[in-house]
Amino acid sequence: KAGVTQTPRYLIKTRGQQVTLSCSPISGHRSVSWYQQTPGQGLQFLFEYFSETQRNKGNFPGRFSGRQFSNSRSEMNVSTLELGDSALYLCASSLVPSGAETQYFGPGTRLLVL
Amino acid sequence: KQEVTQIPAALSVPEGENLVLNCSFTDSAIYNLQWFRQDPGKGLTSLLLIQSSQREQTSGRLNASLDKSSGRSTLYIAASQPGDSATYLCAVTYNNNDMRFGAGTRLTVKP
Repeated sequence: KAGVTQTPRYLIKTRGQQVTLSCSPISGHRSVSWYQQTPGQGLQFLFEYFSETQRNKGNFPGRFSGRQFSNSRSEMNVSTLELGDSALYLCASSLVPSGAETQYFGPGTRLLVL
Repeated sequence: KQEVTQIPAALSVPEGENLVLNCSFTDSAIYNLQWFRQDPGKGLTSLLLIQSSQREQTSGRLNASLDKSSGRSTLYIAASQPGDSATYLCAVTYNNNDMRFGAGTRLTVKP
C-alpha cells in the first residue's frame, strides 16, 4: 500500500505570493491533517479534514486555508506569504478522525519564503 | 494556556541501556496523547497512541504510560539500539480539540 504522498517536496516563493500544497492520503483513509514545523515554534497543528469537512482548526491566521476532495486528497493554501511561513509542512492521514486512530505522515513539503 | 513540555531536550546513552523520556502537560482535560518519532529531514512516525481512558500502551520495546491527574506521560525504551536515535515528540489533544506538541527529546544511542 502506498504511503502518504506530498507534492511538491520543496518550494521557494517570495513574500506576498500564494502557495498551494497537495497531500494524497493512504488509500481508504478519509482523515487528513496538516501541520507546520519551524525551528522556533516547533510542530503546530493547522487543520484536519474528514469526509470533505473541516473538523478541527489550529490557531493560525485566515491566510492559511485548506480543503479536501471527494477522493480524500487534500490541499492547503497560504496566501500573501510572509517570511515566517518558511517551514516544513507535514500532512498525515488516518482511517477515521485522528484522535481515535494512528496517523501516518508524509515526508513533508519544505517551503522557503524569500 | 495548554502547554506540553518534554524533558530532557537531548539525551545520549550507550547501546543497550533502558531509558525514559518525559512529557508533561498543563491541563488534565485531554482526549488523547501520542508519541511520535522524527528522523532528520523526514516526517513523523506514530509510535503509540493513548486514549484518555487508558493508562498505558505497549509496542515492542516501547511502553508509554499516561497519568492524567499529574499531567505526565513517560515513554520507556528498553534495550536501546543505535537505530532508536531520533527526535521523540509528545503530542496532546485536549478535549477542546486543541492539539499541542512538545519541543521533543533528541535521543542519540551510541554503539
